[in-house]
Amino acid sequence: GNSVTQMEGPVTLSEEAFLTINCTYTATGYPSLFWYVQYPGEGLQLLLKATKADDKGSNKGFEATYRKETTSFHLEKGSVQVSDSAVYFCALKNPNTDKLIFGTGTRLQVFP
Amino acid sequence: DTAVSQTPKYLVTQMGNDKSIKCEQNLGHDTMYWYKQDSKKFLKIMFSYNNKELIINETVPNRFSPKSPDKAHLNLHINSLELGDSAVYFCASSQDGTRNNEQFFGPGTRLTVL
Repeated sequence: GNSVTQMEGPVTLSEEAFLTINCTYTATGYPSLFWYVQYPGEGLQLLLKATKADDKGSNKGFEATYRKETTSFHLEKGSVQVSDSAVYFCALKNPNTDKLIFGTGTRLQVFP
Repeated sequence: DTAVSQTPKYLVTQMGNDKSIKCEQNLGHDTMYWYKQDSKKFLKIMFSYNNKELIINETVPNRFSPKSPDKAHLNLHINSLELGDSAVYFCASSQDGTRNNEQFFGPGTRLTVL
């Protein structure tokens, strides 16, 4: 079946450090891939997405590249800020269904 | 404001009670969803409706019954509440549920069953 695996958190970084949050997936067919962010006390917001192999999604300095050969969609940011502290969810959507399948989320804590 | 809204934001109740959570979207979307997020932040879809028709019904106890009076509303009614129902419930909507459409989430309803 379809599934998403994310690295365990929390990830703790100092401001301006480089961020990588790993995400790998298992899916039949060619899913779309997403990163959602959940700030404290809020709902999820779409951060970026990629719909086919080798696509790169980017937003607010975050990037992720759809790698079909390694079934990965790792999230990266060159220089994190305290305001990036949140829980990040990797997700996939199989074109045959309407379901978003989420990873377990990774908490990022950025300290000044 | 255009958004997905949920009421109430917090709900504390006793085991065995029946409660409802309401969701409204004014984005003009055709598809709406309910998700459950447990204490470990794991997020899983429960239901989806497209234009008032049930599309997805995951393995959810039949104590949970979604109701969509129109395509802008998707309410969740829960009968005979149990301790394990304590979670944050998120409503979401998307334009039409196809692969590229973003899902917009509400702020969540934190349900605590005592």
